[in-house]
Amino acid sequence: DIVLTQSPDTLSLSPGERATLSCRASQSVSGSYLAWYQQRPGQAPRLLIYYASSRATGIPDRFIGSGSGTDFTLTITRLAPEDFAVYYCQQFGSSPRTFGQGTKVEI
Amino acid sequence: QVQLQQWGAGLLKPWETLSLTCAVYGESFSGHYWNWIRQPPGKGLEWIGEINHRGSINYNPSLKSRVTISVDTPKNQFSLKLNSVTAADTAVYFCARRPRTLAIDYWGQGTLVTVSS
Repeated sequence: DIVLTQSPDTLSLSPGERATLSCRASQSVSGSYLAWYQQRPGQAPRLLIYYASSRATGIPDRFIGSGSGTDFTLTITRLAPEDFAVYYCQQFGSSPRTFGQGTKVEI
Repeated sequence: QVQLQQWGAGLLKPWETLSLTCAVYGESFSGHYWNWIRQPPGKGLEWIGEINHRGSINYNPSLKSRVTISVDTPKNQFSLKLNSVTAADTAVYFCARRPRTLAIDYWGQGTLVTVSS
């Protein structure tokens, strides 16, 4: 199984600041099949990024995904109030389609 | 507009079988993988498994011995059964769609399943 380790567990920032979230895989993720999701309290996750760097439909351009192989990054260039949430990475290049443990972005 | 609507029993006793169904509206059932994911209260996401319209299945090995995912293509529905549940299976269970080569893009509303004696 590919283990995804996200860091940090919690990121304390202010609106307008830049957030950098990391997702490291225990082995190379096939085809850069790596996605990022945002989850707000009480809601289902929402797809932000797929194929490591492609933004999903309707996602603002302040969300930037990058990386390949075993190291991936989600950058939020200027945090908006609605961006304070938990973020998960998931690899879907091999089964089981594992998730990282999540990074909470808090004020 | 794609919608996933899920239902099933929300309260189970230990050793019973969890059973959830997810109906897909507004989209062809073929060409996608249909997923089940769960989230224990206050914790992260755990992938349970996925199935396509032909019945090709991938399971999480950690649950494989207790899980069955099935599909009813004419009804545009897929289902999850998890047997011999314990308190550790208490979680919000989500159904979700994953286009064949992409990430999960649509989710059901989630069902809280509580296992308690």
